[in-house]
Amino acid sequence: DIQMTQSPSSLSASVGDRVTITCRASQDISNNLAWFQQKPGKAPKSLIFRASTLQSGVPSKFSGSGSGTDFTLTISSLQPEDFATYYCQHYKSFPFTFGPGTRVDLK
Amino acid sequence: QVHLVQSGAEVKNPGASVKVSCASSGYAFNAYGINWVRQAPGQGLEWMGWISGYNGNTDYAQKFQDRVTMTTDISTSTVYMELRSLRYDDTAVYYCGGLHLGDLSPNDFWGQGTLVTVSS
Repeated sequence: DIQMTQSPSSLSASVGDRVTITCRASQDISNNLAWFQQKPGKAPKSLIFRASTLQSGVPSKFSGSGSGTDFTLTISSLQPEDFATYYCQHYKSFPFTFGPGTRVDLK
Repeated sequence: QVHLVQSGAEVKNPGASVKVSCASSGYAFNAYGINWVRQAPGQGLEWMGWISGYNGNTDYAQKFQDRVTMTTDISTSTVYMELRSLRYDDTAVYYCGGLHLGDLSPNDFWGQGTLVTVSS
């Protein structure tokens, strides 16, 4: 199975900050990577697929990059509604594993 | 507008089975797949498997291979996930989510989640 790691596991940031989360795959997954946002008690929300393609309706403050084994999710200017946990997930081969998550909270 | 609506919360005894439904509307059922993801209390997301709305093909995570079955009912555009031989550590919220059939990338529709509690 392909293992996914994320760093940091948590971060504290202020409104307006630029935030970057890193995701690493244990082997080459090309661009078969998605990013999800999850708020407490809510279903995951898909933000990005194919490493850098925004889902419909997702604001452009979110961006994704990377290919192969190393990927990043960037939030250009953090807003109050962005405080949440973020997960990466590969879909290169079965099983489609998730990273352990990065919790973003208010400094 | 696309909707995935899941069945309600369940409480089951250890060793029992649970069948969770995911009813879809607002899109062509046979044009997408559905995957199931679960989240134990306070834990991260765990992928369980997927089923094609086009031909019913499935793939399951090895961890669940012997205990899970995913099926579709085309007449009602509903996907079902049955988990058997429940254990206490199967207590979790179970989510269904849509997949593009071409590359199995996630799309942007997800169910609201179903809490399954395994308790004696």
